[in-house]
Amino acid sequence: DTAVSQTPKYLVTQMGNDKSIKCEQNLGHDTMYWYKQDSKKFLKIMFSYNNKELIINETVPNRFSPKSPDKAHLNLHINSLELGDSAVYFCASSQLVGAGPQHFGDGTRLSIL
Amino acid sequence: EDQVTQSPEALRLQEGESSSLNCSYTVSGLRGLFWYRQDPGKGPEFLFTLYSAGEEKEKERLKATLTKKESFLHITAPKPEDSATYLCAVQAGANNLFFGTGTRLTVIP
Repeated sequence: DTAVSQTPKYLVTQMGNDKSIKCEQNLGHDTMYWYKQDSKKFLKIMFSYNNKELIINETVPNRFSPKSPDKAHLNLHINSLELGDSAVYFCASSQLVGAGPQHFGDGTRLSIL
Repeated sequence: EDQVTQSPEALRLQEGESSSLNCSYTVSGLRGLFWYRQDPGKGPEFLFTLYSAGEEKEKERLKATLTKKESFLHITAPKPEDSATYLCAVQAGANNLFFGTGTRLTVIP
């Protein structure tokens, strides 16, 4: 059973398009996250949600909008995609807010043409 | 400013050749230091959490240690299947998990 699953695994699209990435966790965790990993493999947090409520919103363009319909799901919608958005996006979850290990999905590789 | 630096960036070892990876950090109010393993095309896989200086954790050929300024991941008699990128992350303050850029380990048979 996959603990944190993301779809799609690959996303290739044109500049200016709008796209969404979905994430689901079956670990029963209360907190979920979105990270961006750039070409140098640096992982940086974008958003954190606890029980459907936004906790962290790092300096991310407002073209990125997370949505959490329930505590097991956290989706990421991106408007007006730009070349610089090309990266791997990881979803993660943890039992507690601000403590304990986070468990990651396998990522969505977004490529902007 | 919180900072995490990992060294070396890349490490090639012969099978059975033990070594250590370093993670040095400067954060205010460390709440935990985490080690992850990341294979190509996969997400980071949790290995260890360390909370206080002097703490040690072990799992198979891996041993993680923590001081007030750095953590080491010791790899004893590595095997080719230990090849991966090893990431260090620190948790400080509110909720942020701040990652280093990783050490890419290659173990040659």
